[in-house]
Amino acid sequence: DTGVSQDPRHKITKRGQNVTFRCDPISEHNRLYWYRQTLGQGPEFLTYFQNEAQLEKSRLLSDRFSAERPKGSFSTLEIQRTEQGDSAMYLCASSLGLGTGNTEAFFGQGTRLTVV
Amino acid sequence: AQSVTQLDSHVSVSEGTPVLLRCNYSSSYSPSLFWYVQHPNKGLQLLLKYTSAATLVKGINGFEAEFKKSETSFHLTKPSAHMSDAAEYFCVVSDRISSASKIIFGSGTRLSIRP
Repeated sequence: DTGVSQDPRHKITKRGQNVTFRCDPISEHNRLYWYRQTLGQGPEFLTYFQNEAQLEKSRLLSDRFSAERPKGSFSTLEIQRTEQGDSAMYLCASSLGLGTGNTEAFFGQGTRLTVV
Repeated sequence: AQSVTQLDSHVSVSEGTPVLLRCNYSSSYSPSLFWYVQHPNKGLQLLLKYTSAATLVKGINGFEAEFKKSETSFHLTKPSAHMSDAAEYFCVVSDRISSASKIIFGSGTRLSIRP
């Protein structure tokens, strides 16, 4: 296992188009997180999953954003009708679940979205 | 609810002098605390973590942090700064017990090293 994998690494899209990002977590990790990071800021929490269940969705996320984690493995983050303000780095992370006493998150390299 | 406050947005030190990056946290339960580093155009890398064992935690590259429950702090230190330490540092909190816990980042501290 080579860690958390995100695809694509870079995405340029025109305003109004839909985009979808994929995250493959570390295989034994049942928690998966999505964050958004803009230049000069810390990662902002977007949403997270425990296995296939989406436990929380940030108020930062408008209805244009949706995330899924079918079968509790990989996850997708879709942004509909993209806006220029959506331009950011989208980070995925995974961790072991509760009961392990260890919530350390491992991060992917991120997907950089540019909306033109 | 959890939160974390990094008290300095930017710290500048001379090479060879000590580094102190400050972090205060708030957690309803028993926190796990982490420091991550992000070099320009690189991914987030874990420096060190506290998960209820020793309160003084040693990490990679000579960094260490001390968990002080009475002060709700988890400051990051290094005795002697190196040019390669220049990066963005994030203090992170999570709850070890709550089923609703998520991982929350501070706003970051940019560390600059003067020659």
